[in-house]
Amino acid sequence: DIQMTQSPSTLSASVGDRVTITCRASQSISSWLAWYQQKAGKAPKLLIYKASSLERGVPSRFSGSGSGTEFTLTISSLQPDDFAAYYCQQYNNYTYSFGQGTKLEIK
Amino acid sequence: QVQLVQSGAEVKKPGSTVKVSCKAFGGTFSSYAIKWVRQAPGQGLEWMGDFIPFFGTAKYPQKFQGRVTITADEFTSTGYMELSSLRSEDTAVYYCARGGAALDYWGQGTLVTVSS
Repeated sequence: DIQMTQSPSTLSASVGDRVTITCRASQSISSWLAWYQQKAGKAPKLLIYKASSLERGVPSRFSGSGSGTEFTLTISSLQPDDFAAYYCQQYNNYTYSFGQGTKLEIK
Repeated sequence: QVQLVQSGAEVKKPGSTVKVSCKAFGGTFSSYAIKWVRQAPGQGLEWMGDFIPFFGTAKYPQKFQGRVTITADEFTSTGYMELSSLRSEDTAVYYCARGGAALDYWGQGTLVTVSS
């Protein structure tokens, strides 16, 4: 099974900051990586698919990059609505797994 | 616009079975896999398996093989997830979601509580 490791687990930042979350796969997954945002009590929301493609309706301050085993999600200028949990998810050979999540908190 | 609507919360005894439904509105049901993902309280997301209506086949991770059954009824555009031999560790919110490599639409979640 492919293991996904996210870092950091918790991130404290302020409105306007640029933040980056990293996700590492235990083996190469090409660009089969997605990022989700989840707010308390709600279902996850797709932000990025295929490592760097922005889902329709998602603000352009969100961007993704990487391939192989190392990936990043960047929020260029944090807005109050962005404080939430973020998860990466890989797809490989008809199996899926998620990172353990990053909680983005207000500093 | 696609919407996935799940069945309501359940309280189950240890050792029993739960079946959660997920009805799709909008889109073409048979064109996408329906996946099930669960989230224990305060924990992360865990893939439980998926069903591809077009092929009529299901796939499960090893952890859940033998204990979970995922099916779908194309005529009613409804997916189902059945989990047996429930234990307290199965207490979680269960989500259905649509997609291939990435999950673009999600149900609202169904809380399943396992308690004696």
